[in-house]
Amino acid sequence: AQTVTQSQPEMSVQEAETVTLSCTYDTSESDYYLFWYKQPPSRQMILVIRQEAYKQQNATENRFSVNFQKAAKSFSLKISDSQLGDAAMYFCAYRVIQGAQKLVFGQGTRLTINP
Amino acid sequence: EAGVAQSPRYKIIEKRQSVAFWCNPISGHATLYWYQQILGQGPKLLIQFQNNGVVDDSQLPKDRFSAERLKGVDSTLKIQPAKLEDSAVYLCASSLEGGLAGTSYEQYFGPGTRLTVT
Repeated sequence: AQTVTQSQPEMSVQEAETVTLSCTYDTSESDYYLFWYKQPPSRQMILVIRQEAYKQQNATENRFSVNFQKAAKSFSLKISDSQLGDAAMYFCAYRVIQGAQKLVFGQGTRLTINP
Repeated sequence: EAGVAQSPRYKIIEKRQSVAFWCNPISGHATLYWYQQILGQGPKLLIQFQNNGVVDDSQLPKDRFSAERLKGVDSTLKIQPAKLEDSAVYLCASSLEGGLAGTSYEQYFGPGTRLTVT
């Protein structure tokens, strides 16, 4: 069974600084997707960034980028120039390409931004 | 474009009572998901519909939980009778098409329903 592990329950960073959130996963599949979702206090899950496992190039979305290490099964999220609005729970998630499309989530990391 | 709608936003019930949650997906989205998110954990899939058919309900406690998606649009998730451990946020999500190999359609989430069982 696929599992996703986020080892950092909480992280904090100064506004305008850079922070990296860690995620590891376990799967026997060779093709899959990885995601980072943001969940603010409003509870609505918002997609931050997505990575296809067959792509070697790391995905980037403005201030958000990932470090995808397929052999190590590691998928970290880097947030540059942190802003107060980045404060939220961040969830790493995995999904297979073939078959059912359910997302398997990690336990989450609570990110605090210090002004 | 309207997002995924859920109601109610909050519900408090006593154990052994029944409760129902409603979800209206984004128009045109064939696939609908119900996730359960217990406090301090990531969401866990309960059931996935493709149109009005069930794709995956392997983690749905079928002795007390039921779900339906009539006419392939709205969906209702019911718990009867509720237990203390059912206290959680219930998230509904939808996507354009979830069954095609190689597709990567984003799942859009609703605001969730926070259930407290006392």
